[in-house]
Amino acid sequence: GIQVEQSPPDLILQEGANSTLRCNFSDSVNNLQWFHQNPWGQLINLFYIPSGTKQNGRLSATTVATERYSLLYISSSQTTDSGVYFCAVLSGSARQLTFGSGTQLTVLP
Amino acid sequence: GAVVSQHPSRVICKSGTSVKIECRSLDFQATTMFWYRQFPKQSLMLMATSNEGSKATYEQGVEKDKFLINHASLTLSTLTVTSAHPEDSSFYICSARTIWGGSLGSNQPQHFGDGTRLSIL
Repeated sequence: GIQVEQSPPDLILQEGANSTLRCNFSDSVNNLQWFHQNPWGQLINLFYIPSGTKQNGRLSATTVATERYSLLYISSSQTTDSGVYFCAVLSGSARQLTFGSGTQLTVLP
Repeated sequence: GAVVSQHPSRVICKSGTSVKIECRSLDFQATTMFWYRQFPKQSLMLMATSNEGSKATYEQGVEKDKFLINHASLTLSTLTVTSAHPEDSSFYICSARTIWGGSLGSNQPQHFGDGTRLSIL
């Protein structure tokens, strides 16, 4: 099956800093989603982005499908941005998303 | 946007108890729902794919007799953890995909419930 790798595994930032999270995948994808899992376990859908660039407030994402990677940008980070960020992809004939291992983000006040 | 409702959010029960978790798509129909399990500090791992009106498809290593899945309608799937033991303690999350025009909708986003934290004493 498809392999999904996220980097870095852990990231500690000071409030106000910017960051870039990366997701590499081993095959072409039909669907790619970025999620934020908050401390209560809720998965918040950030972007549905199989290709191209999208922005939502301080967050933006870019997927370069031909080069098999996606980037999530967080600008002016806030403590509420803390949590785990997951990239998940749908590839080929698969019917369900495959998740990466996540990036644990900690934003310090 | 599409909403997936999952209940209960938390269960604490004694070893040997069976626990049922419900997953509902509130404002859309989904022929396919998915059940994931997440252990602390780990990613989500797919347990099974639930298809309306047919038997679920389980991932390798997941006991179908332990984790009973029923998908009786286009808006409801249930996961029953039978005779639960402490090693079944985990965070269980359901997910569903919108269908349009009868297709699986593989190019549509997958929506997730808020999860159920199961603790077996």
